[in-house]
Amino acid sequence: GDSVTQMEGPVTLSEEAFLTINCTYTATGYPSLFWYVQYPGEGLQLLLKATKADDKGSNKGFEATYRKETTSFHLEKGSVQVSDSAVYFCALSFNTGGFKTIFGAGTRLFVKA
Amino acid sequence: NAGVMQNPRHLVRRRGQEARLRCSPMKGHSHVYWYRQLPEEGLKFMVYLQKENIIDESGMPKERFSAEFPKEGPSILRIQQVVRGDSAAYFCASSQTGGRLNTEAFFGQGTRLTVV
Repeated sequence: GDSVTQMEGPVTLSEEAFLTINCTYTATGYPSLFWYVQYPGEGLQLLLKATKADDKGSNKGFEATYRKETTSFHLEKGSVQVSDSAVYFCALSFNTGGFKTIFGAGTRLFVKA
Repeated sequence: NAGVMQNPRHLVRRRGQEARLRCSPMKGHSHVYWYRQLPEEGLKFMVYLQKENIIDESGMPKERFSAEFPKEGPSILRIQQVVRGDSAAYFCASSQTGGRLNTEAFFGQGTRLTVV
């Protein structure tokens, strides 16, 4: 079945370090891909998305490129801040006939000052 | 435009009681989705509803769980005779369309259910 696999956390970085969180997917078809962020005690917020191959989603310094050939959607940021500490979820959904987002297990990020 | 509103934010129930979780979608949204997040896990899809219809309940446990989205009022996720394993965060999301045209779902802040 369709699934999303993320790198396990937690990931601990120092402020201004480079961030990569790997995400790969398995899908029968061509889904849209998303990254959501969950801050402590909060719900999920959409961080960025890409709807077709080679699209790059970007927001708040984060970016991810939809790679069909490697079925990946890795999240990157050039310089993380303490305020980026959160759990990041990679997800996919299909745009046809109903909507059922499939989430990865989440990757917890800690950024130290 | 208010976001997706869930209440209560925190709910404590004793084993065997009923839990009712409410979700008001964003204005103009007629599609609602419920997800469950167990501790240290990702969100798992439970059910997808449109007004007065259940579209996909493939993620709902067969017993004790039910969901509705009436013509008027919020969507309700109901858990009867709760057990400790039901303790989780329950998130509701809503969207304007049901999967067409790059649908984006907006999430509420969740209801954290604790069964004691």
